[in-house]
Parts: sequence; structure tokens; C-alpha cells
Amino acid sequence: DIQMTQSPSSLSASIGDRVIFTCQASQDIKYSLNWYQKKSGQVPKLLIYDAFNLEPNVPSRFSANVSGPTFTFAIDSLQPEDVASYYCQQYQSLPLTFGGGTKVEVK
Amino acid sequence: EVELIESGGGLIQPGRSLKLSCLSSGFNFADYAINWFRQAPGKGLEWVGFIRPKSYGGKADYASSVKGRFNISRDDSKGIAHLQVKSLKTEDTAVYYCARGRYYISTSGLYWGQGALVVVSS
Repeated sequence: DIQMTQSPSSLSASIGDRVIFTCQASQDIKYSLNWYQKKSGQVPKLLIYDAFNLEPNVPSRFSANVSGPTFTFAIDSLQPEDVASYYCQQYQSLPLTFGGGTKVEVK
Repeated sequence: EVELIESGGGLIQPGRSLKLSCLSSGFNFADYAINWFRQAPGKGLEWVGFIRPKSYGGKADYASSVKGRFNISRDDSKGIAHLQVKSLKTEDTAVYYCARGRYYISTSGLYWGQGALVVVSS
């Protein structure tokens, strides 16, 4: 199975801050990576697909990129409604696997 | 509008079996793969498995952690997917979601059901 390692596991930032976290795959997954947002009590929401493509209607303050084996997810200007856990998920090969998540909190 | 609704969750004793259902509407169910995910209390998201549409062979695949105990099936005539779990363990306690992706064979979760809570406890 492909292991997905997310870091950090949690972070706390102020409103308006730029927040960045990463996901690394144990094998080459090309660009086969999704980013999900999971708020407490809500259904997961797909934000990014194919490593850096923003889903329609997702605010443009969310972005993602890839450099070598490292996938990054960024939130420009953190908003209160961005408090959530964020998960990367590879779909290059079965079984699909998720990273452990990054919990984003507001200071 | 794509809609998925899970049912069949509840409190169940360890060692018993459970069948969850995922009722679809708003799209041609037979054309799409259906994924199952779960999230245990305080834990992260986990892919459980998925079933391909019959046009892609109809085969199901599973996470390593559930292979052998979980079985996914589909009834295209009713637009329903099922997740059958045998020999339930306390660590199977989770919210179970069915989800559909963008493409026919997608293994992503673009459209999600509201989730079904399964609590395995004696």
C-alpha cells in the first residue's frame, strides 16, 4: 500500500495568516492526489483534485502544488470557516490511501 | 441533483454482521463506481472499498484492513449499493459514507452521503 504522510498533524494560526501543510507519498503517485476538507459534524468536501486543480465554487484562497515527491496545500488569508481537518488522498493505485490529516485551528 | 443516502447503521454487538445501504438519485447509478469511506471517532478518513460499474467489470476492491470481512455489492435496477460487514469488531465503529466521483470509474469522493453511524459494542 502507498503510505501518505501529512505534516504537521495540527497547526494554529491567526485569521489572515497564510497556512501551508504538506503530504508526501511513499511511491510515485504522479499527480493523482486529492485534498479534502472535513469539518466537525459535516461531510468531507473535495477541494483539490489532480494535485492542484481547484474544484468549482471552492474559494480561491485555497491552492495546492507539487514539487517532486512533496504535495503542498495552502490557505491564503485564513478565515474562521476554514477551521477543519484537511486530508490528502492518493488514487494512483489501489488501495486508495489517505494521509493522517492536518487539523487547522484559529489562535 | 446527485444525492446519496446511507441507511442501516446502529448499535451492534461484536462478531455480528451488518449491511449498510446507499440509495442514489439524480444520476444514472449504473454508470458510476461507488466508493465507501469511514471515519472512526477521533480518527482520520479511511477508504473502505469501491465497486466498479458493470461496464467496467463490476468488480469490487477493498482496503487491506478490511479485505475478507467487507463485501460491496450493487443493485443497478434499484440504484442502491450495499456494504456488508461480517464479524464486526469494536474498531469498526465509525461513520460510514458512500460517495461518488466525477467520472464513471472515479475513486474520489465528490458527492457524499450524509453518513451512517455504526457503533460496535457489547
